[in-house]
Amino acid sequence: QQQVKQSPQSLIVQKGGISIINCAYENTAFDYFPWYQQFPGKGPALLIAIRPDVSEKKEGRFTISFNKSAKQFSLHIMDSQPGDSATYFCAASKRAGGYQKVTFGIGTKLQVIP
Amino acid sequence: EADIYQTPRYLVIGTGKKITLECSQTMGHDKMYWYQQDPGMELHLIHYSYGVNSTEKGDLSSESTVSRIRTEHFPLTLESARPSHTSQYLCASSKENTEAFFGQGTRLTVV
Repeated sequence: QQQVKQSPQSLIVQKGGISIINCAYENTAFDYFPWYQQFPGKGPALLIAIRPDVSEKKEGRFTISFNKSAKQFSLHIMDSQPGDSATYFCAASKRAGGYQKVTFGIGTKLQVIP
Repeated sequence: EADIYQTPRYLVIGTGKKITLECSQTMGHDKMYWYQQDPGMELHLIHYSYGVNSTEKGDLSSESTVSRIRTEHFPLTLESARPSHTSQYLCASSKENTEAFFGQGTRLTVV
């Protein structure tokens, strides 16, 4: 059972367009929602993250929108560039004992075409 | 750039062999993790450690074992590799309640 549902699994966007990736979660105990970007042959790297007391967070061309009541959050990439082509993972985490337990979505493979 | 290193990057090995995947971090993080990632799939936590001499099983059952004798080192061992162990293994570390930093991964193929 997927605790974090991510869609779409693949996305093709024209250069300059907006890329939108959606995630939904069930467990209200999650208190931190990071997005990771992974290029082929590399490990995931933190892109941007949000806590549930904030509805939106923007860093450059990347924006997270968070809807606590709907238990949904999304990543928007404005002015998408070919260099943004990568796999994006949403995640949700909560305290579990002495560590922050992170649950990942299935990933979205983004391709930005010129 | 996060200072967490995994070796080897790629490993092809025969069935029945014992293997150890190395992971080291120079950030002084107490918490370290091993994730397994199959192509096109999400990351699944297989092991984690709170600190030296602490290791716990993750969400996904794994026949591998880990040890944490030093803060900076968190190796993963498979006593007898099988084709079903073919996957990418990602090591990560974090400070208290902060994001995880990932290594580049080890892509393991068991033939």
